[in-house]
Amino acid sequence: EPEVTQTPSHQVTQMGQEVILRCVPISNHLYFYWYRQILGQKVEFLVSFYNNEISEKSEIFDDQFSVERPDGSNFTLKIRSTKLEDSAMYFCASSPDTSTDTQYFGPGTRLTVL
Amino acid sequence: SQQGEEDPQALSIQEGENATMNCSYKTSINNLQWYRQNSGRGLVHLILIRSNEREKHSGRLRVTLDTSKKSSSLLITASRAADTASYFCATQGNSGYSTLTFGKGTMLLVSP
Repeated sequence: EPEVTQTPSHQVTQMGQEVILRCVPISNHLYFYWYRQILGQKVEFLVSFYNNEISEKSEIFDDQFSVERPDGSNFTLKIRSTKLEDSAMYFCASSPDTSTDTQYFGPGTRLTVL
Repeated sequence: SQQGEEDPQALSIQEGENATMNCSYKTSINNLQWYRQNSGRGLVHLILIRSNEREKHSGRLRVTLDTSKKSSSLLITASRAADTASYFCATQGNSGYSTLTFGKGTMLLVSP
C-alpha cells in the first residue's frame, strides 16, 4: 500500500539554523499538508498546498516557514531560522483529489532545536 | 471546550473489553476523522464519517456522528493489547478549506 514518507526521522539543529524537512507524498495525490505536534500537545495545522501554491496557512506559519514542491515527488518544509519553540514532531500528509477527503500522514520528523 | 475535544483523556481496559471514546466539536463540519497514534509515531487514519452519515463500521471499529449534538464516538470492540495508543478525532469544516482540526486525544491502554 502506498505511504507518505518523511526524512529525516530525527533532526537536531542549533537555534538560528535553517532546516529543511522532506516529504514524499503518495504519488497520485494532489493536496499536501504540514502539521506539527509539540510534545504532549495537539496536532496543529501549518499549511496546505495545491496546484503548486499555498491554499491555506495557519497563524503558526509565519515568514520563517516556507514550503516547496521542487520536483514531481518531493514536498519540503523549510524553517529559515529555528527557534527553541520550533521543537516538535512535524507531519506531512497528502490527500487524493478533493480537499475534503482522507488525509494520509507520514511517520513524522522529530525536530529538536538546541 | 475547543474544536475536536475527546473524552476521556485516558482509558484503561482489559483485553476483550470494548473501548468507547467521545469527541465533541463546536463548528459545522464536512466530515470527522479518527486517527490512531502509537507512542512517538505517526498518525494512522482509521475512519472518516461525513456529516450526512450517522454511523460507520470498519472491522472492529464503529463510529457514530450526531451533528445535532456536535459529537462523535469511536467504539473499539473486543480490544487487544495492540490497540494501546492515543486516539484523536479531527474535523474538517465546510468552508472549502481542507484543514484538519485535531482534539487532544484519548490515551487508551489495553492490558493483557
